[in-house]
Amino acid sequence: QTVVTQEPSLSVSPGGTVTLTCGLTSGSITATHYPSWYQQFPGQAPRTLIYSTNTRFDGVPDRFSGSIVGNKAALTITGARAEDECDYYCVMYVGDGISVFGGGTRLTVL
Amino acid sequence: QVHLQESGPGLVKPSETLSLTCSVVDASFGVYQWCWVRQTPGRGLEWIGYMYPSGTTNSNPSLKSRVTLSIDGVKKQFSLRLASVTAADTAIYFCARRSFANYFDYWGQGARVTVSS
Repeated sequence: QTVVTQEPSLSVSPGGTVTLTCGLTSGSITATHYPSWYQQFPGQAPRTLIYSTNTRFDGVPDRFSGSIVGNKAALTITGARAEDECDYYCVMYVGDGISVFGGGTRLTVL
Repeated sequence: QVHLQESGPGLVKPSETLSLTCSVVDASFGVYQWCWVRQTPGRGLEWIGYMYPSGTTNSNPSLKSRVTLSIDGVKKQFSLRLASVTAADTAIYFCARRSFANYFDYWGQGARVTVSS
């Protein structure tokens, strides 16, 4: 069974840049996994940030960007703000209609 | 305009079947895949399964033996049944639309379900 890994927690200073990554326990992430990223605040439904590796969803600020770096998908926040402090999840599509969520990264802005 | 809303019992007894329905406002209901995702207390998100209005479906291998998905294209509703529930199935259950590039673009607000006697 496919397992998608994320850093459990990261921190960034206000105005700084942070990169969250998403990997597979077996194999490399490629564009064919259609990497997507979601932001979730406590008590709320996830909010879509990035899809198809690097396409920003409607209304998402351009300080959020997606890429594939090496064998992982990456979400970079450039010029982090206090309001970016929340949980971030990646999702990989692994075929046969199956999506797999990463375990999530809790981002602290301090 | 796209809107999803989950409904169903908030309390289910152990060993019984959890049933939820997602009601959708979407003029293009017939062309998208409709999914269930859950979030257990203090833990991350878990994809449960999807259904396409044509009837094509698949579910998380770890839950497959207990999951039944159904869809009603006329009512624009899709449903989840999870059998033989235990406390580990206590979670917030979200319905979501999966778009053509295999990402979730619209979400319901979530339905909290507790498994307890």
